[in-house]
Amino acid sequence: DGGITQSPKYLFRKEGQNVTLSCEQNLNHDAMYWYRQDPGQGLRLIYYSQIVNDFQKGDIAEGYSVSREKKESFPLTVTSAQKNPTAFYLCASSLSTVNTEAFFGQGTRLTVV
Amino acid sequence: AQSVTQLGSHVSVSEGALVLLRCNYSSSVPPYLFWYVQYPNQGLQLLLKYTSAATLVKGINGFEAEFKKSETSFHLTKPSAHMSDAAEYFCAVRYDKVIFGPGTSLSVIP
Repeated sequence: DGGITQSPKYLFRKEGQNVTLSCEQNLNHDAMYWYRQDPGQGLRLIYYSQIVNDFQKGDIAEGYSVSREKKESFPLTVTSAQKNPTAFYLCASSLSTVNTEAFFGQGTRLTVV
Repeated sequence: AQSVTQLGSHVSVSEGALVLLRCNYSSSVPPYLFWYVQYPNQGLQLLLKYTSAATLVKGINGFEAEFKKSETSFHLTKPSAHMSDAAEYFCAVRYDKVIFGPGTSLSVIP
C-alpha cells in the first residue's frame, strides 16, 4: 500500500539530547513537509523540501534540522537547541504541482523528560 | 504573507443539526484550498479540495464546501451532524507550500 510512514509513534528524549524522527513515503512525491502541532495552535511548518537535496526553512525552523538525500526520505532532527521540543510532529508529502493535496503520516509524539 | 483564518476554535452542534465551519484566506489570487479532518493522535485526512473546476465541492462523509471569491471564503458544511463527525478540522491553502489554519474543534452533542 502506498503511504507515508512515520516512526516511532512515541518518543521520549532527555533534555540536551538530539533525536531524529523518521519519515518515509512510497508515493513518488517530490515535495515533503514537517509540521509541529501544539494544542490550540494548529500546524506550524518547520521545514519543507520540493526536490531531492534541497529544502527550505518554514516558520519555526530554529532548533531543527533536516536532510533530503533520497526522494523517499525526509528525516527531522530535533536538536538540543530547540527550547520546547515536546509536541506532536507530522510529516506530509505531495506532488509538486500546486493543485494537489498533501498526504500525512500518523505522527510522532515527542516528549522531553 | 498568505494566511488562513478559521473563525471559532470550538464549535458545538446537536446530532442531526447543520455543521458550518468557517474558513477565510488572505490573497488576491485564488489559491488551491483544502479541508482536512484529524482524529485524536492521528494524522490529517483530506475531506475535500477546491482546484477551480467548480465552486461547490463535495467531499467524503457528506461534507461539502463552497468557494466564494468575493468573500475570500471556503466554508465547510454538512447538513446533518453525526457523532462520528467530532474531530478537529483544518482549512489549508497551497501556493508553493501548504499553509494551515489554526483548526476548529467540532463537538457533537447527542
